[in-house]
Amino acid sequence: SQQGEEDPQALSIQEGENATMNCSYKTSINNLQWYRQNSGRGLVHLILIRSNEREKHSGRLRVTLDTSKKSSSLLITASRAADTASYFCATDVHNNNDMRFGAGTRLTVKP
Amino acid sequence: DAGVIQSPRHEVTEMGQEVTLRCKPISGHNSLFWYRQTMMRGLELLIYFNNNVPIDDSGMPEDRFSAKMPNASFSTLKIQPSEPRDSAVYFCASSQSVSGNTIYFGEGSWLTVV
Repeated sequence: SQQGEEDPQALSIQEGENATMNCSYKTSINNLQWYRQNSGRGLVHLILIRSNEREKHSGRLRVTLDTSKKSSSLLITASRAADTASYFCATDVHNNNDMRFGAGTRLTVKP
Repeated sequence: DAGVIQSPRHEVTEMGQEVTLRCKPISGHNSLFWYRQTMMRGLELLIYFNNNVPIDDSGMPEDRFSAKMPNASFSTLKIQPSEPRDSAVYFCASSQSVSGNTIYFGEGSWLTVV
């Protein structure tokens, strides 16, 4: 069964704009990770945030975590056409390495 | 490191045939995952192994699916007999079996059952 649910399902923006994607999950977690998938490729890890963290940055990426609301957001600032991809959140269920992914957000950045 | 290696990359088979997908995890990783991705159902965890032992196979759709990991460097996912609804991309992934570690994905096996 899936654990995380991303929204929106699809997002289309212009290059230079910021993109915000959200993830909600159901059970308590140790950490939450965001992954990116280019069309036809495997998923690639972007960033991890632990349950005791509220915000984390990596380059143009900013992730927030609200454990009280069981939600996370991924912000991509100053988007580029190369950011076009699907973005997934993943959580470890049952306090082990059993990683479950949401349905993903399809981001399109128009040049 | 070459990353997670999957084969075949693409397979087209007829309904009723046996399909075997193969995976070589990253050396040193002791967790291995099989996922299935479709437009309708997204990315589903089918089964995962720790130290070659199946830990959770609750995502395996039915008895037609089976997975093995005979050693630390090889795993198979078998579908017998295959059906058109099994058409999907099957991903193998590996990680070190510590919560919070990055999962590394292969490029996937694109299966079409006609």
